[in-house]
Amino acid sequence: DAKTTQPTSMDCAEGRAANLPCNHSTISGNEYVYWYRQIHSQGPQYIIHGLKNNETNEMASLIITEDRKSSTLILPHATLRDTAVYYCIVSQNNNDMRFGAGTRLTVKP
Amino acid sequence: GAGVSQSPSNKVTEKGKDVELRCDPISGHTALYWYRQSLGQGLEFLIYFQGNSAPDKSGLPSDRFSAERTGGSVSTLTIQRTQQEDSAVYLCASSLVGGGPYEQYFGPGTRLTVT
Repeated sequence: DAKTTQPTSMDCAEGRAANLPCNHSTISGNEYVYWYRQIHSQGPQYIIHGLKNNETNEMASLIITEDRKSSTLILPHATLRDTAVYYCIVSQNNNDMRFGAGTRLTVKP
Repeated sequence: GAGVSQSPSNKVTEKGKDVELRCDPISGHTALYWYRQSLGQGLEFLIYFQGNSAPDKSGLPSDRFSAERTGGSVSTLTIQRTQQEDSAVYLCASSLVGGGPYEQYFGPGTRLTVT
């Protein structure tokens, strides 16, 4: 029972912003939106998470709509090393992290 | 400090043998998680530890799978009488505490191949 919907794949030009969408229309009030990524043959890497407000860190920005039914992960200046599978996860806490299929982002030169 | 480490990095075993996979979490992290990832698939949750206790074993696929954690640190995932369908990458993650909005830090995984 997937809580999130993401596109299967996306391309982005190197140096441009990568905007990865995620739909989570059934999110409840106490559930956070988490983003992780998995570079080929590595373990997943935490990127960012948020509850209601937009968040920014050194890796990315997370924009959550006012109704919280969708969000967008923004990589401001994508590099070739950002090529990975990006997972959007909705969960109350870190004990219930259900990773779906994610979005395969390919950054092209 | 050091990240999450797992050993071995690769394991090839014959069908029917038992295997043990080890995870060393980040020092001070009280929560530890095991996942499985089959080729080209997403992560499948197996089990979660808070300290040495496992409040959630719901993801273990069969009674051939078991896990323990000792001293609130190292964890071992044991698969008995391995089957070919057990072939996958087994990932371990740790978190400062469980039950809150804290990120998980993943190890590099153990690639298990059952022949």
